[in-house]
Amino acid sequence: EAGVAQSPRYKIIEKRQSVAFWCNPISGHATLYWYQQILGQGPKLLIQFQNNGVVDDSQLPKDRFSAERLKGVDSTLKIQPAKLEDSAVYLCASSGRVGAETPLHFGNGTRLTVT
Amino acid sequence: KQEVTQIPAALSVPEGENLVLNCSFTDSAIYNLQWFRQDPGKGLTSLLLIQSSQREQTSGRLNASLDKSSGRSTLYIAASQPGDSATYLCAVAVNDYKLSFGAGTTVTVRA
Repeated sequence: EAGVAQSPRYKIIEKRQSVAFWCNPISGHATLYWYQQILGQGPKLLIQFQNNGVVDDSQLPKDRFSAERLKGVDSTLKIQPAKLEDSAVYLCASSGRVGAETPLHFGNGTRLTVT
Repeated sequence: KQEVTQIPAALSVPEGENLVLNCSFTDSAIYNLQWFRQDPGKGLTSLLLIQSSQREQTSGRLNASLDKSSGRSTLYIAASQPGDSATYLCAVAVNDYKLSFGAGTTVTVRA
């Protein structure tokens, strides 16, 4: 089966600019996650979707971050405007259903550098 | 708030030596604990999942133990190989879907 696809792989922008990341989960996976991984830290959950509904966005900085999952398939994460502290790897993951015992399948991530 | 700590942050061993990776967490009320592997520039790959009712889980050369009462888990990798070089992350499920990750231990196995 094809894995979780993310694009772009790398992005360099200046602070206050906007950026968008795209994720295509494994076919049939209803649950989609966006994680932020700052260098030297573990991933932090930003938002979780079940189909096209939001399950948890408690750690998403909503003044600058937004995410959508139209039609319950692909997802886009946007940052507007970006800050220096947003420099990180943004990981997308999907799973067949909600549940901590359900394996998560991660994409390779998008590395964002804000200068 | 659940805090997950992994010590040491980095480890270097000669090939063939057994690896012992430690993970500690502050709240023993967990659903399960998972160990992941992350290669440079890649996403995470799940290695082992231990349910809260289990004491250990094994897969090939990997063995993970869980002691909920003391808030600790240990990942053992037997007879390490250069291909085991990677960052290993521990994650605790704080409810039925949310994972809280440690910062990881970066392992280098020298040939």
